Formats: sequence, structure tokens, C-alpha cells
Amino acid sequence: AQSVAQPEDQVNVAEGNPLTVKCTYSVSGNPYLFWYVQYPNRGLQFLLKYITGDNLVKGSYGFEAEFNKSQTSFHLKKPSALVSDSALYFCAVRDIAGSYIPTFGRGTSLIVHP
Amino acid sequence: DVKVTQSSRYLVKRTGEKVFLECVQDMDHENMFWYRQDPGLGLRLIYFSYDVKMKEKGDIPEGYSVSREKKERFSLILESASTNQTSMYLCASSFADRAKTQYFGPGTRLLVL
Repeated sequence: AQSVAQPEDQVNVAEGNPLTVKCTYSVSGNPYLFWYVQYPNRGLQFLLKYITGDNLVKGSYGFEAEFNKSQTSFHLKKPSALVSDSALYFCAVRDIAGSYIPTFGRGTSLIVHP
Repeated sequence: DVKVTQSSRYLVKRTGEKVFLECVQDMDHENMFWYRQDPGLGLRLIYFSYDVKMKEKGDIPEGYSVSREKKERFSLILESASTNQTSMYLCASSFADRAKTQYFGPGTRLLVL
């Protein structure tokens, strides 16, 4: 079985400050990990993914995420937040030997204050 | 660019009506998905299709059916719409590779009166 936890429903950060959106996962084997962003009244857009290799993954719009196998985490980060980063963020996992169906977290609402 | 389109952005239907939501992708993806999204509940999978005419039930299939007659098109059917099916419906597609990204449509916001 696979699962994802996003422990924070909402994250508030001031513009220009670093941001972190947390994600922890559980899989039987090894994971493929994904972050998606959803702007209001839109579908989800892909941000970045971890497949293999370097634990630090860089993605769109200046976002990055660090895969930590020992802590089973894949936290999303950005060094300097923008008001336009305000959106709903979803973490997702697939077991590399499991189903094609990913498991999504419940989402974290990021609010960046001017 | 991959494109996933959904037939309507907004729909208003009456209780008991049969509702069709259509999704089309243009990247020859094998896998297609229907989700519903409700505040506080995240994304819940309704149905998954891995090939033409092939489908698997997701977490909440009750009250829904699907049809995939062509590879690029995946339809979600509400046999008899009810008010508790008022929601945002999202379609997604991907290649049959667990490392591959899902691509999402813009969503259909359905209101059942």
C-alpha cells in the first residue's frame, strides 16, 4: 500500500521569505514522487518529480524539492516566495513496482502575503 | 505541449438527470483518470482506464460509470445525478510508465440542483 501525508492544510509566508511545504510518504518499495500546483478554478500542473539520482530536484517557477529516504520525505521549497505562488499544492507518490495509480496528499494551501 | 481538454468548464444539472462529462487527450496516452475534488478531501479517484474498453474502479465509483471507446477519449457518466455529486471533476492522462507525469484537464465544476 502507498500513502502520502501533507501535515499542513495551510502555510502562510511573507513575500521574499523562504517557503517549505511538507510531504511524507509510505510505499512498500521505492518511490516515484511528484509535486503539482493548482491555481484557482484550474486543473493541476506538474512542478517537479523525483525518479532517481540526485536527491535535490529542481522544477518550474524556481521550486525545488529534496528527497530524504531515511525520513521518507519530499518537502517542496523555494528560496524567496512570490505572491503569485499562492495556490494549492499536492504531493503524489507511486511505488516503482506498484500500480499506475498515484496516491495524492490532501493538498496544502500556500498563502504568500505582500 | 500535451493537451487534456474537458467538454465543459461549468455545468448545472437537475437531480435525476443523466450527465456526461467528456475528456480528450492528444498525446496518445494509455492511461486516463477521472477524479473529483472537494474542499478538505483532496483528489479522490473515481475510475481509471489503462486501455480502450478497459477500466478499474477507484475509491468512489458509486453513482458513476465510464466509457472509453477510443484511446484519446474518456467519458464519465452520472447515471442519475444527485446533489451530493456537486463537485469539481478533473480528468488526467499519462503514459503507462510509473515515472511519467500525469497531465490534467482544466476541470468541470458541476452543480446539481
